[in-house]
Amino acid sequence: QSALTQPASVSGSPGQSIAISCTGTSSDVGGYIYVSWYQQHPGKAPKLMIYDVNKRPSGVSDRFSGSKSGNTASLTISGLQAEDEADYYCCSYTSSSTYVFGAGTKVTVL
Amino acid sequence: EVRLVESGGGLVQPGGSLRLSCAASGFTFSSYWMHWVRQVPGKGLVWVSRINPDGSYTSYADAEKGRFTISRDNTKSTLYLQMNSLRVEDTAIYYCAKDFTGDVDQWGQGTLVTVSS
Repeated sequence: QSALTQPASVSGSPGQSIAISCTGTSSDVGGYIYVSWYQQHPGKAPKLMIYDVNKRPSGVSDRFSGSKSGNTASLTISGLQAEDEADYYCCSYTSSSTYVFGAGTKVTVL
Repeated sequence: EVRLVESGGGLVQPGGSLRLSCAASGFTFSSYWMHWVRQVPGKGLVWVSRINPDGSYTSYADAEKGRFTISRDNTKSTLYLQMNSLRVEDTAIYYCAKDFTGDVDQWGQGTLVTVSS
């Protein structure tokens, strides 16, 4: 199972909005609602930010939102803040009853 | 508060074996699917395996199939990963993670496995 495709890096200024794409196939992203997004700061464990494509866990800022169109999911961060600088990973359930992560996107706040 | 604490990592020679444990607390362990995910330091996350609540169903990534075995002891609220025939490329931080409606939600802090001669 190949990793889902994410841009290596995305950057934005404080207050701006950015979007991170996650492209898979109809056997993963396009076929299931089980698409999630994780934030990881250096040396820390990942943190769930979005699950089931567009749902936010309790305690996650509403500046984070998720969507999906066809085989591509997206994570949007609005009102970018310095604390949002981190690595972000998407993840999808697959038709093989396994899961696959994206390669990760480094978000830089300029 | 959900708490997942991994242990059992360390240095092992190629071809060797290691068993990782994950002690869970703060939730009804026996009601949830559980996962193992690994990460080479500085690299991306890679899904390894998952197990259903009563331990009767397991699935693995292709790279681990036949070498790794996931299991659980619900009486001890503990998840395990038995790793055999270890390779240098298995060197990584191994995270235990809880499932939530089909997505991985809570993560432990990870345990480092180093495979080297």
